[in-house]
Amino acid sequence: VLTQSPATLSLSPGERATLSCRASESVSSYLAWYQQKPGQAPRLLIYDASNRATGIPARFSGSGSGTDFTLTISSLEPEDFAVYYCQQRNKWPPLTFGGGTKVEIK
Amino acid sequence: QLQLQESGPGLVKPSETLSLTCTVSGGSISSGYYYWGWIRQSPGKGLEWIGSIHYSGSTYYDPSLKSRVTISVDTSKNRFSLRLSSVTAADTAVYYCARHTDRGTNMVYAFDIWGQGTMVTASS
Repeated sequence: VLTQSPATLSLSPGERATLSCRASESVSSYLAWYQQKPGQAPRLLIYDASNRATGIPARFSGSGSGTDFTLTISSLEPEDFAVYYCQQRNKWPPLTFGGGTKVEIK
Repeated sequence: QLQLQESGPGLVKPSETLSLTCTVSGGSISSGYYYWGWIRQSPGKGLEWIGSIHYSGSTYYDPSLKSRVTISVDTSKNRFSLRLSSVTAADTAVYYCARHTDRGTNMVYAFDIWGQGTMVTASS
């Protein structure tokens, strides 16, 4: 089970966002992060905990291993307000997603 | 570049079978490195993996849905399909198809390419 916190993060553009994903058991570094905007498919940001996907800005970074992971957005841009999901691929099936964190404009 | 496109009925009656197809364009479904998966999202909810298939025909399902799910692949048509039987209102969701891998080196080990999604409503 992947637990994301907080459920909602209220921040202003330019601020730093720190999102957490905690696994109920170790998933090694096999964790990905996705961004989803309303009416759109999820977009891969980070895979294997800290690797940015192609075309993802450097303000997005991932860290962690084992059970505790963090997605950091160093300085929020207007287009970053969205819902973020973590997903693990350790010993699948199953592949599982966290419940999501909504980053909203304060 | 590789694109995925879901297709199928937008309305399914309760107790009937939901059938969707994902057509892959701009690349081959027969690449040994990749799995082709189905993920759904109920209205206002999070993402739920349904299952995945490799072009060889190997399938992997979420345990909670395994008894009702069948995923198949048609390499000649470069597409894969989802069948979900005995649907209820709880199966109402946007259904996405997506590519992922955990094989090879220097690969992107996640759902890196997604279809746009298709809304399916289970209702009489």
